Amino acid sequence: DVKVTQSSRYLVKRTGEKVFLECVQDMDHENMFWYRQDPGLGLRLIYFSYDVKMKEKGDIPEGYSVSREKKERFSLILESASTNQTSMYLCASSFALAGRGTGELFFGEGSRLTVL
Amino acid sequence: GQNIDQPTEMTATEGAIVQINCTYQTSGFNGLFWYQQHAGEAPTFLSYNVLDGLEEKGRFSSFLSRSKGYSYLLLKELQMKDSASYLCAVLDSNYQLIWGAGTKLIIKP
Repeated sequence: DVKVTQSSRYLVKRTGEKVFLECVQDMDHENMFWYRQDPGLGLRLIYFSYDVKMKEKGDIPEGYSVSREKKERFSLILESASTNQTSMYLCASSFALAGRGTGELFFGEGSRLTVL
Repeated sequence: GQNIDQPTEMTATEGAIVQINCTYQTSGFNGLFWYQQHAGEAPTFLSYNVLDGLEEKGRFSSFLSRSKGYSYLLLKELQMKDSASYLCAVLDSNYQLIWGAGTKLIIKP
């Protein structure tokens, strides 16, 4: 059974803290993604990676960074958490299509982050 | 700009049929996805359309008209477990996914 695992389901952090969200997939997928999901808005892409050590900015990269040292692991880092980063964070992975295209996304269960 | 429109919320009755529409305006088109997301859970893949027409998969069908920038998801024989949000997403010319805000479907007995 395919699996994308996110390290924490619920986190509560204070403003200014550094936050690490980790994501591991066991499907040997090339592509990995970090999204945030807020009520009334579509999924918004923060960063994605189509290969080890490769990363590309999505629509809302400000305040975030990522790391992909191994194919199966993609980490999202909030260098200094702020209250407007309170959100649900979803990691996803997929096989590549047509080079950097994407097939079906497999999502992790999500990490609900609250920044106080 | 790129835009995906779906109704915010729909209500239907158990056993009935419901159609959830999605219209899109994107820079190019390389396919359209539908995902289902139950409250508090991760989205799961339902369908992918890249050619015009209807694709049927059990109780769920998805339709695409590229010339109209339009898709719909058709759910038949509704069950209570179909209560969820349904997300439409388009793969644009750069193979980036553009997401709609989702349609919350409420099923009543």
